[in-house]
Amino acid sequence: AQSVTQPDIHITVSEGASLELRCNYSYGATPYLFWYVQSPGQGLQLLLKYFSGDTLVQGIKGFEAEFKRSQSSFNLRKPSVHWSDAAEYFCAVGAGDTGRRALTFGSGTRLQVQP
Amino acid sequence: EAGVTQFPSHSVIEKGQTVTLRCDPISGHDNLYWYRRVMGKEIKFLLHFVKESKQDESGMPNNRFLAERTGGTYSTLKVQPAELEDSGVYFCASSQRQGSTNEKLFFGSGTQLSVL
Repeated sequence: AQSVTQPDIHITVSEGASLELRCNYSYGATPYLFWYVQSPGQGLQLLLKYFSGDTLVQGIKGFEAEFKRSQSSFNLRKPSVHWSDAAEYFCAVGAGDTGRRALTFGSGTRLQVQP
Repeated sequence: EAGVTQFPSHSVIEKGQTVTLRCDPISGHDNLYWYRRVMGKEIKFLLHFVKESKQDESGMPNNRFLAERTGGTYSTLKVQPAELEDSGVYFCASSQRQGSTNEKLFFGSGTQLSVL
């Protein structure tokens, strides 16, 4: 069975600082990987996704993530955080090669941005 | 274009009562998913509709949960009778009928269910 671990429940960074949110997954085959963000009162919004090809994926809002198969990781990064990035971030894995559409999510990382 | 709409946004009920959550997907989206997040834990898959058919209901926790999507438009998720452990946020998501690599999910803002 697939699983996703987000080791950091809560992270606080200063505005303008760099950010890295960790995500480790467990899946027997090539995974489909996603990062979603949920701002207060909003639904989950897709930041970026990895299916194949270049292991460094660019997303919206200046985010990027790198797929590292050897480490089973898909960490999310941003070089300079803005106050509007304060939200909860979810990593997810999909079993794309089986055709099953259900996503398995991590428990989320809440990001707080200090001025 | 309207997004995925969920109603109500909040529901507070007593144990043993019945609650029905509604999801209106984006018009034209064949795929509709229900997920829920309990007690700040991970978001878990409940089930997947393609039009009016249940494609995958492997995540439904027990027979107190009943999901329907009559006519392939909006969907309802009924919990009867509700138990304390059913409290959480119920998310709905929809997508167009595409291959899995191109599928883009649009999520609603969720229904916060509190069972007292």
